[in-house]
Amino acid sequence: KQEVTQIPAALSVPEGENLVLNCSFTDSAIYNLQWFRQDPGKGLTSLLLIQSSQREQTSGRLNASLDKSSGRSTLYIAASQPGDSATYLCAVPNQFYFGTGTSLTVIP
Amino acid sequence: GAVVSQHPSWVICKSGTSVKIECRSLDFQATTMFWYRQFPKQSLMLMATSNEGSKATYEQGVEKDKFLINHASLTLSTLTVTSAHPEDSSFYICSARTAYTNTEAFFGQGTRLTVV
Repeated sequence: KQEVTQIPAALSVPEGENLVLNCSFTDSAIYNLQWFRQDPGKGLTSLLLIQSSQREQTSGRLNASLDKSSGRSTLYIAASQPGDSATYLCAVPNQFYFGTGTSLTVIP
Repeated sequence: GAVVSQHPSWVICKSGTSVKIECRSLDFQATTMFWYRQFPKQSLMLMATSNEGSKATYEQGVEKDKFLINHASLTLSTLTVTSAHPEDSSFYICSARTAYTNTEAFFGQGTRLTVV
């Protein structure tokens, strides 16, 4: 069974700082990896989807990378803002097992 | 992106009753749907995977007789929590995907279930 781990579990940074969230998975035979954001008590918002053939995917201030061979993905957030405060989850198919999540707080 | 509608968004029920949660794909055919539950401050835990027209595949430790899943059409899957107990109170989320394994999954907004 696929196991997905995210480090750190929680992160607090001042506004404007660049940051990196990490996701690792045990089974590298994946088709893609997806990053999500979850606000407290809410559902999921899809941020980025990286196909196994891709190494990076960018959307605005977000950049996600994927290294299948090492079983790792990173989510880079540039110039963080208070509105970025949320829990960030990575998930891998086919059943979309979710990581443990990183709770991000951006301090104004 | 594609839209998955989950209903209701929240529900309160009495112990011993059953509750049905619906998950609909509004603008695509979902050959596969997934059901998750999430306890406070924890990640999403996969409960079961359902393919249209087939019996659901449950994850280890999930009682199939308690959490009944029906995926009768390509746009609708339902999760019924039978004989609900307070420990079933949780946040339940569904997701849907098309037939191709390299496509992304689309998620419903979740259902907050409280059993009193």
